[in-house]
Amino acid sequence: GQQVMQIPQYQHVQEGEDFTTYCNSSTTLSNIQWYKQRPGGHPVFLIQLVKSGEVKKQKRLTFQFGEAKKNSSLHITATQTTDVGTYFCAGRTSGTYKYIFGTGTRLKVLA
Amino acid sequence: DSGVTQTPKHLITATGQRVTLRCSPRSGDLSVYWYQQSLDQGLQFLIQYYNGEERAKGNILERFSAQQFPDLHSELNLSSLELGDSALYFCASSATGNLLDTEAFFGQGTRLTVV
Repeated sequence: GQQVMQIPQYQHVQEGEDFTTYCNSSTTLSNIQWYKQRPGGHPVFLIQLVKSGEVKKQKRLTFQFGEAKKNSSLHITATQTTDVGTYFCAGRTSGTYKYIFGTGTRLKVLA
Repeated sequence: DSGVTQTPKHLITATGQRVTLRCSPRSGDLSVYWYQQSLDQGLQFLIQYYNGEERAKGNILERFSAQQFPDLHSELNLSSLELGDSALYFCASSATGNLLDTEAFFGQGTRLTVV
């Protein structure tokens, strides 16, 4: 079945350093969504990517969708302590309705 | 506040028992999703309903069942509970069930502890 893996599983960075998490799907995706879950909280939607090679930016966050629509990345520039949390990608395979969440990357930012 | 309401927030029950988790989606949202998140784990998709009908099924055990009612609220029933069923159960809702969906809004979750 469809699998979505994320690397790294954990990342500790100093405040001000950059951070990137990668999402890889075993199948081609119709679209991909990114969510952030703060410790003790619930996932909150960040963005959706639909087109091959699409790049979207939200302030310090940059999201990319691979040309083959099988991978995606989230890059945070100059991390802040408010960026702490687990970042999940969620992909949907063409022809299906369900989103499969990636394994998540837990980010810790050291002040 | 996401607008998705889940009750109860916490539930402690014994092995072998049956529980029902309830979810009220955001006003106007037709799709409801259920996810299971075990300790420090990812989100496992269980099932999706759209306007009262089952739309997609994930890794949902036969001991688990769900439904969406005419008023669009949903219930997840977990029976013959085992220790391994202890987890955070999230409900999410979205506006449509189309392939290019809009964002999903998650509730605060129900933390189930089986003892």
